[in-house]
Amino acid sequence: GAGVSQTPSNKVTEKGKYVELRCDPISGHTALYWYRQSLGQGPEFLIYFQGTGAADDSGLPNDRFFAVRPEGSVSTLKIQRTERGDSAVYLCASSLARGETQYFGPGTRLLVL
Amino acid sequence: GQNIDQPTEMTATEGAIVQINCTYQTSGFNGLFWYQQHAGEAPTFLSYNVLDGLEEKGRFSSFLSRSKGYSYLLLKELQMKDSASYLCAVRAFGSGAGSYQLTFGKGTKLSVIP
Repeated sequence: GAGVSQTPSNKVTEKGKYVELRCDPISGHTALYWYRQSLGQGPEFLIYFQGTGAADDSGLPNDRFFAVRPEGSVSTLKIQRTERGDSAVYLCASSLARGETQYFGPGTRLLVL
Repeated sequence: GQNIDQPTEMTATEGAIVQINCTYQTSGFNGLFWYQQHAGEAPTFLSYNVLDGLEEKGRFSSFLSRSKGYSYLLLKELQMKDSASYLCAVRAFGSGAGSYQLTFGKGTKLSVIP
């Protein structure tokens, strides 16, 4: 079946603007993760959903970042008042259940000017 | 917190064998993963170890020693397409309710030359 998909693949925005990044997990996967990857670094954990609820949001850098997964499938990562330091690749991963192998999507490359 | 170290870059010859090492320090260890990431693409799952020993999967093998906080990824019969970054990631029980987040190293950029 289809893998994890993310839209848009690229997003350019201006400092101070609001952006939404979307993730479609593999069908049937109950666990969903968001990571952020800066150039030359490994992915950094942001938030984990089990079903509809955010079970662990300890990686969100500040209150400008928020994510939802209202129906337990698609998730949206929302960033308010974007800053240049938010520029990175935002990766989404899903797993069949909690603790199973995580499969990553292609990422959204966010550039804040 | 968690600390994961792996070499920044390695170069190897086509057809050869290369070993990429990873050392980690963590509490609540619950498994070690290796991912391959080609430039501009998503990480792709390669292997998983939770018990000590060697796991073999085709040209790729991964080893884990929990007492030493050490793992390696072994790539045999190197091909040009193996040129990529290799990410070591540790899974640990997180601060949230049953979180299974991965903590990644910075990745090892492997260049395979003719």
